[in-house]
Amino acid sequence: DIQMTQSPSSLSAFVGDRVTITCRASQSISTYLNWYQQKPGKAPKLLIYGASSLQSGVPSRFSGSGSGTDFTLTITNLQPEDFATYYCQREGTFGQGTKVAIK
Amino acid sequence: QLQLQESGPGLVKPSETLSLTCTVSGGSISTTTYNWGWIRQPPGKGLEWIGTISYSGSTYYHPSLKSRVTISIDTSKNQFSLRVSSVTAADTAVYYCARLTAMLTRWFDPWGQGTLVTVSS
Repeated sequence: DIQMTQSPSSLSAFVGDRVTITCRASQSISTYLNWYQQKPGKAPKLLIYGASSLQSGVPSRFSGSGSGTDFTLTITNLQPEDFATYYCQREGTFGQGTKVAIK
Repeated sequence: QLQLQESGPGLVKPSETLSLTCTVSGGSISTTTYNWGWIRQPPGKGLEWIGTISYSGSTYYHPSLKSRVTISIDTSKNQFSLRVSSVTAADTAVYYCARLTAMLTRWFDPWGQGTLVTVSS
């Protein structure tokens, strides 16, 4: 089975900062990698699919990159509503999540 | 706009069977473009995929849950269902249903709002 490892598990940042979250697959998955945002008490929301395609309605400050085993979710100009937990996913495997908190 | 809604008991006794239904509205469940999945999240923890079903009834289950999980689909009611047998406290979680694209990238979107199921006597 493919394992997905996210890092860091948590981070703190200021509004306006640039934030980078990494997801590593245990074997090559081409660009078959998706990213979600989850706020407390809410269902996850799809942000990025296919490693770099922005889901409709998602602000352009979110971007994804990578292929093979290493992937990155970047949030530029962090906004107050972006403080949440982020998960990567490939098929039936989710990363363990990265909590982005206010500094 | 496609919407999914989970329904079922919020409290299940240990050793009994958890049963949930996901009702799909705003679109048909009978499509080859998408499959339908269940994901759960124990309190304070991450997301765990449970299983997926196609409109034709083909199923795929998480290896660690396969012996206890059954997912079924009722295209006439635009619903799909989850059953987890012999539950323990470790099955306490928020259970989500979601649509899964059948393309190679396989992303979940949209999701239901989730329903908390507590396993307790």
